[in-house]
Amino acid sequence: DGGITQSPKYLFRKEGQNVTLSCEQNLNHDAMYWYRQDPGQGLRLIYYSQIVNDFQKGDIAEGYSVSREKKESFPLTVTSAQNKPTAFYLCASSIGAGGYNEQFFGPGTRLTVL
Amino acid sequence: RKEVEQDPGPFNVPEGATVAFNCTYSNSASQSFFWYRQDCRKEPKLLMSVYSSGNEDGRFTAQLNRASQYISLLIRDSKLSDSATYLCVVNAGSARQLTFGSGTQLTVLP
Repeated sequence: DGGITQSPKYLFRKEGQNVTLSCEQNLNHDAMYWYRQDPGQGLRLIYYSQIVNDFQKGDIAEGYSVSREKKESFPLTVTSAQNKPTAFYLCASSIGAGGYNEQFFGPGTRLTVL
Repeated sequence: RKEVEQDPGPFNVPEGATVAFNCTYSNSASQSFFWYRQDCRKEPKLLMSVYSSGNEDGRFTAQLNRASQYISLLIRDSKLSDSATYLCVVNAGSARQLTFGSGTQLTVLP
């Protein structure tokens, strides 16, 4: 089955600790995205990548880093500079870039800072 | 003004009712419009794209009004399973990526 997988489903982070969230897709999509959703809020774009070895900052990139070494994979590292207590992290992909195509989402990772 | 604005609701309607949601967007150059559905603590899922001519998928109808810069979603004959948050999505941001509204919460009551 084609789709997007994210792991882990739940993650607990101590203050000052860096953690990495995994996102993998087998849809052969060129573009991949990371969003954060705070409780009761909409999705906000953290980073996006339109092609391998290239990525761009979104609206709330501070405290995060990404890499795109393979088409299928787009991991997100949450650094100690990111101090949001709890948020839902969603990875998505689309067949083309530029915001013109529908995006498909993975099941998300719920991150809690202890 | 927010790039994409939705009435947060909640909308509480009885089964079988017709309910409509509106969403306004600020960037007149936007070209892509979608409605997504998000269940509690789950990922958003694409409900339908919104085309200039309007489009219908079963009980769901989406309309685009470029002059007034809003899109709408109409749900007929509501089912209990329609209870969810509906997200309006437009390519509106400075990077021309998709921008998600905060969502409208719908609860269909038995």
